[in-house]
Amino acid sequence: NAGVTQTPKFQVLKTGQSMTLQCAQDMNHNSMYWYRQDPGMGLRLIYYSASEGTTDKGEVPNGYNVSRLNKREFSLRLESAAPSQTSVYFCASSQGSYSNQPQHFGDGTRLSIL
Amino acid sequence: AQKITQTQPGMFVQEKEAVTLDCTYDTSDPSYGLFWYKQPSSGEMIFLIYQGSYDQQNATEGRYSLNFQKARKSANLVISASQLGDSAMYFCAFHPLTFTGNQFYFGTGTSLTVIP
Repeated sequence: NAGVTQTPKFQVLKTGQSMTLQCAQDMNHNSMYWYRQDPGMGLRLIYYSASEGTTDKGEVPNGYNVSRLNKREFSLRLESAAPSQTSVYFCASSQGSYSNQPQHFGDGTRLSIL
Repeated sequence: AQKITQTQPGMFVQEKEAVTLDCTYDTSDPSYGLFWYKQPSSGEMIFLIYQGSYDQQNATEGRYSLNFQKARKSANLVISASQLGDSAMYFCAFHPLTFTGNQFYFGTGTSLTVIP
């Protein structure tokens, strides 16, 4: 009963380093999402993938890239990490357009950039 | 553009009392869904309740109910008989039920503290 699995759960990087956050879902969902959560700002959408083979920018895409590797997996890459990217990152999935089903979230990745 | 507003950054409620968390939205889409999520201090996002724009009845799930007023574009969450475990952040989310409606739009959240 995994749902949405994110790795890693915690990470500390130095400014300028790169890393990839991994996300996988086992619910056969069409759409996947990456959010960041900062205090007082709720969830802000970084990128999303409406379906396999497509990706679109969200509200705060600068400094990030994504890859929808297949229907199950959606990764988020920081090419050159900056302290402003210190945040909690959530991956989520959903059935997609027209669906009245909720998003399912991973447990989050706490990322600190020094 | 869709906009979700939660105007209460923090709320306090006495244990066993009811509390209402406010959520308003702005949209021109005729068909949409509204969701509430709970985020306890442990950090996970827990889905609580859903309301569709064409639903005739207000949604209920156990102690959670939605006070949906479509004309006023509000979807307030009512928690009855509050428990200490209800202390958490609560987020309202809007999802257009359209062909291109893949995004979910979240409010900034309300922090609820239940007082013993």
